[in-house]
Amino acid sequence: AQTVTQSQPEMSVQEAETVTLSCTYDTSESNYYLFWYKQPPSRQMILVIRQEAYKQQNATENRFSVNFQKAAKSFSLKISDSQLGDTAMYFCAFMKHREARYGGATNKLIFGTGTLLAVQP
Amino acid sequence: DTEVTQTPKHLVMGMTNKKSLKCEQHMGHRAMYWYKQKAKKPPELMFVYSYEKLSINESVPSRFSPECPNSSLLNLHLHALQPEDSALYLCASSQATGTSRTSYNEQFFGPGTRLTVL
Repeated sequence: AQTVTQSQPEMSVQEAETVTLSCTYDTSESNYYLFWYKQPPSRQMILVIRQEAYKQQNATENRFSVNFQKAAKSFSLKISDSQLGDTAMYFCAFMKHREARYGGATNKLIFGTGTLLAVQP
Repeated sequence: DTEVTQTPKHLVMGMTNKKSLKCEQHMGHRAMYWYKQKAKKPPELMFVYSYEKLSINESVPSRFSPECPNSSLLNLHLHALQPEDSALYLCASSQATGTSRTSYNEQFFGPGTRLTVL
């Protein structure tokens, strides 16, 4: 079974600073996907960034980037130039690769426990 | 349109009531999901529908009854709930098939229905 661990229940960062959220996972799979989701207070969950395990290059999306260490099973999220709107709960999530003939829909998202990030003015 | 809508936003019900939650998407997705989320916890998967057929039931109590009347709609019928069922209920949708290279499909989440059972 796969597990996802986020060891930082809460974090705080000053506006315009950089913060890194940690995530580790455990799996015996070789092909899989990793995600960071953001859930602002009383707002819906959105995908921030994703990483395919077969890609060595770390994913980036504007101010968001990941440090993917496959051997160490680590997947941290770096937020640069933090903004007040980045205040949210951040969930790291894992999904197994599944052959197309089985369909992708039944891939389960396995979430970590979340990190509550507060950006201070 | 990349929106998943859920109604109602808030629902308060007694333990003897019957109510339904509704989810709708118009992105052409053929997979839809129900999650339950407690405060400051990650979402827990309840049900998955793929091409309007139930493909995953995560051993959810029978007082929760899902229904997928068509490819755009997903309902969750509630009956004889318990106070511990109070939570945020999230709906999500995604494509149902992928290529062999990228066999995942991003899940788009709705804003949720906050349910309180008295």
